[in-house]
Amino acid sequence: ELKVEQNPLFLSMQEGKNYTIYCNYSTTSDRLYWYRQDPGKSLESLFVLLSNGAVKQEGRLMASLDTKARLSTLHITAAVHDLSATYFCAVDESNTDKLIFGTGTRLQVFP
Amino acid sequence: DAGVTQSPTHLIKTRGQQVTLRCSPKSGHDTVSWYQQALGQGPQFIFQYYEEEERQRGNFPDRFSGHQFPNYSSELNVNALLLGDSALYLCASSIRRLPLAGEQFFGPGTRLTVL
Repeated sequence: ELKVEQNPLFLSMQEGKNYTIYCNYSTTSDRLYWYRQDPGKSLESLFVLLSNGAVKQEGRLMASLDTKARLSTLHITAAVHDLSATYFCAVDESNTDKLIFGTGTRLQVFP
Repeated sequence: DAGVTQSPTHLIKTRGQQVTLRCSPKSGHDTVSWYQQALGQGPQFIFQYYEEEERQRGNFPDRFSGHQFPNYSSELNVNALLLGDSALYLCASSIRRLPLAGEQFFGPGTRLTVL
């Protein structure tokens, strides 16, 4: 059974600092997604990573995928308050659009 | 493009009742997946519909059932509601026909409260 783990679970960081969120998964998959969720809201798609070595960047966020290590990272550069949210990684089990989500990382950015 | 839509937005039921939630996929999408998200947790896969049939199912009891219509819209039904069914129910749509189709788009969700 595919398991997806994220760390840290909670992250409080100062504006302007850099940090990385890690997503580990237990079985082979080459389709990984990152989502953002604001309180009480739905999931907003951030990145779709479909191959080993994939790297995507949008603004202050950059995501990468290492399928051999079964690891994805979400790197935050020079954090700003607007990035405060919960971030989920999700792995596609069997390439059939059945997503297994991680536990989520709650990010708080303070001045 | 309206994106994925869900109704109702909020719903309050009592234990033992039955509930039906509805989802319309993004235009051009043919696959609908349902997820349950309890407070403070990640979404859990319930099941997936494609070509009007349930194709995959997560670890949810038979009280959870669904349907997909010819226009690709879908319903999630939950019978004999329990307090533990209180959650945000999310619908996601995607395109099954394409190889490496990738991205799923999520609707705004239905917040179900069971009293």
